[in-house]
Amino acid sequence: GQNIDQPTEMTATEGAIVQINCSYQTSGFNGLFWYQQHAGEAPTFLSYNVLDGLEEKGRFSSFLSRSKGYSYLLLKELQMKDSASYLCAVMDSNYQLIWGAGTKLIIKP
Amino acid sequence: ETGVTQTPRHLVMGMTNKKSLKCEQHLGHNAMYWYKQSAKKPLELMFVYSLEERVENNSVPSRFSPECPNSSHLFLHLHTLQPEDSALYLCASSQEYGKGSNEQFFGPGTRLTVL
Repeated sequence: GQNIDQPTEMTATEGAIVQINCSYQTSGFNGLFWYQQHAGEAPTFLSYNVLDGLEEKGRFSSFLSRSKGYSYLLLKELQMKDSASYLCAVMDSNYQLIWGAGTKLIIKP
Repeated sequence: ETGVTQTPRHLVMGMTNKKSLKCEQHLGHNAMYWYKQSAKKPLELMFVYSLEERVENNSVPSRFSPECPNSSHLFLHLHTLQPEDSALYLCASSQEYGKGSNEQFFGPGTRLTVL
């Protein structure tokens, strides 16, 4: 079967750095997405990786290793507004998105 | 604002009621999606429409019936639901279906409670 694993919950301190991991096993691979979802709101797109390596976008970076079936989202200089759930999703060979259950990130002052 | 709107935002219904959820996208996209989001579970894809034609039906019970009258609007008709159908129902759209780099834009969702 297809599976996406990510931690259920993480806690970090304002101003610090946090890394959210995502491991996947899917039928084929057409890219990996990270989304942010604040409580009660719509998921919003953060990043897309289809080649190995690190993609940087301001305070957020996303890394992909296709051979290891692994990605991480790195958040730097954490702010209180970064408290949210972070969803990892992989597009399989049928171009269907397979979603993880999300990681709830709690930022403490 | 993501360019995708959903109404109503909250809905409480009995098991014998019939109701409809509405989604509208203002992005000029060709693909639209219905997802179910339950607490602490992955998003479940329910239906996909591309250019107004249904392309995916992931073994969804017949008490859920989608309708896509044009590329900007998507409905989810509900009838004789069960309490376990209570969840957040999210609509999304993307430029095309079947292209890896196309991110999906989500609406704010309808929080459905079935009594």
